Amino acid sequence: GALVYQYPRRTICKSGTSMRMECQAVGFQATSVAWYRQSPQKTFELIALSTVNSAIKYEQNFTQEKFPISHPNLSFSSMTVLNAYLEDRGLYLCGARVGNNQAPLFGEGTRLSVL
Amino acid sequence: GEQVEQRPPHLSVREGDSAVITCTYTDPNSYYFFWYKQEPGASLQLLMKVFSSTEINEGQGFTVLLNKKDKRLSLNLTAAHPGDSAAYFCAVMDSNYQLIWGSGTKLIIKP
Repeated sequence: GALVYQYPRRTICKSGTSMRMECQAVGFQATSVAWYRQSPQKTFELIALSTVNSAIKYEQNFTQEKFPISHPNLSFSSMTVLNAYLEDRGLYLCGARVGNNQAPLFGEGTRLSVL
Repeated sequence: GEQVEQRPPHLSVREGDSAVITCTYTDPNSYYFFWYKQEPGASLQLLMKVFSSTEINEGQGFTVLLNKKDKRLSLNLTAAHPGDSAAYFCAVMDSNYQLIWGSGTKLIIKP
């Protein structure tokens, strides 16, 4: 079946350092990949949406300089959190979908803790 | 743009009772809706996707109602059991195919 695999599941980094997380679509080709952050006690914030043959679109309050995303093919995407600080803590979710009208499939997320 | 409001933020019901979570949206042209379940420490699990053409959608142990006139989407859990304890999120797809999320409901089922 189709699923989305995220790696790592959990990570801890020191304040001011960076960490990279990966998202792999298995069993289907993802025409779009959305990265979300779920901060403690909050709902989901869309960081950016990456669609095939389009530029990566970042939401307000999120920038490419802080959250660079790579989407080299229809199966894989990665995002880096640069210079992580306490406010970057949370669960980062990757949602991948086949077409615009499809419900995104989510990975299990990467939980980021910052010391 | 589309705005989604979800209520209540917290809900506690006894095992065997029903639980209702509601989302209201603003864009009358919205046509695709989703309910997700997030168990503690886990990711999002799609419970149901709803097209605007279907007002009553039944799943296993729950029903999703769509009232287009009032722009209201509700998740009704019948005979709740401990496995239903989780956070529930509604999402509405806007005209740009982006998901607009509700703020979530933390549901606790008491024995």
